[in-house]
Amino acid sequence: GAVVSQHPSRVICKSGTSVKIECRSLDFQATTMFWYRQFPKQSLMLMATSNEGSKATYEQGVEKDKFLINHASLTLSTLTVTSAHPEDSSFYICSASYGGSGTDTQYFGPGTRLTVL
Amino acid sequence: GENVEQHPSTLSVQEGDSAVIKCTYSDSASNYFPWYKQELGKRPQLIIDIRSNVGEKKDQRIAVTLNKTAKHFSLHITETQPEDSAVYFCAARKAAGNKLTFGGGTRVLVKP
Repeated sequence: GAVVSQHPSRVICKSGTSVKIECRSLDFQATTMFWYRQFPKQSLMLMATSNEGSKATYEQGVEKDKFLINHASLTLSTLTVTSAHPEDSSFYICSASYGGSGTDTQYFGPGTRLTVL
Repeated sequence: GENVEQHPSTLSVQEGDSAVIKCTYSDSASNYFPWYKQELGKRPQLIIDIRSNVGEKKDQRIAVTLNKTAKHFSLHITETQPEDSAVYFCAARKAAGNKLTFGGGTRVLVKP
């Protein structure tokens, strides 16, 4: 149980275009989803926290107009990188948790490797 | 906000030896401390976690200890095997649903 999927697994795009990444909780309803970015040989850096039906909470330094997050249902959150540039190339990973006493573990998706040319 | 420091950044051990990774956290309100293992290009996988009402937890070859007073926690891997080679991350969190703050990671290499 507690499986999180991400799509696509890899994407290559041209500079200036937008890319949408989907994160789905397959066998549970995720009250909260998180989006992380991970550069090579570095730790996971939280970008934003999203709760179903409400606006995402962005971490300091993360541009909310550039990284659009939508959490329309309890099983789906999307991250759209708008007007992507080469410096946005990274490994984007989502995680999901379903809260509740003793059941608040974060489960990670497999990640999306974004390359912006 | 919370700050988590992790040491060492790299660790090389001989197969069969033990590996120990240490983390310190800054916020005394943190009460949940998971450890994740990440293989190259893969997702982080939860391997063990501990809550602040417990001092130690063990699962086969893996154990975690927590010292709330000193605000540090450690991961112990005994009888290491080559498949234990990966990057390990510690994390801390204040309450259910709140964000995890990750340590910088430890790259573990188990030499056969």
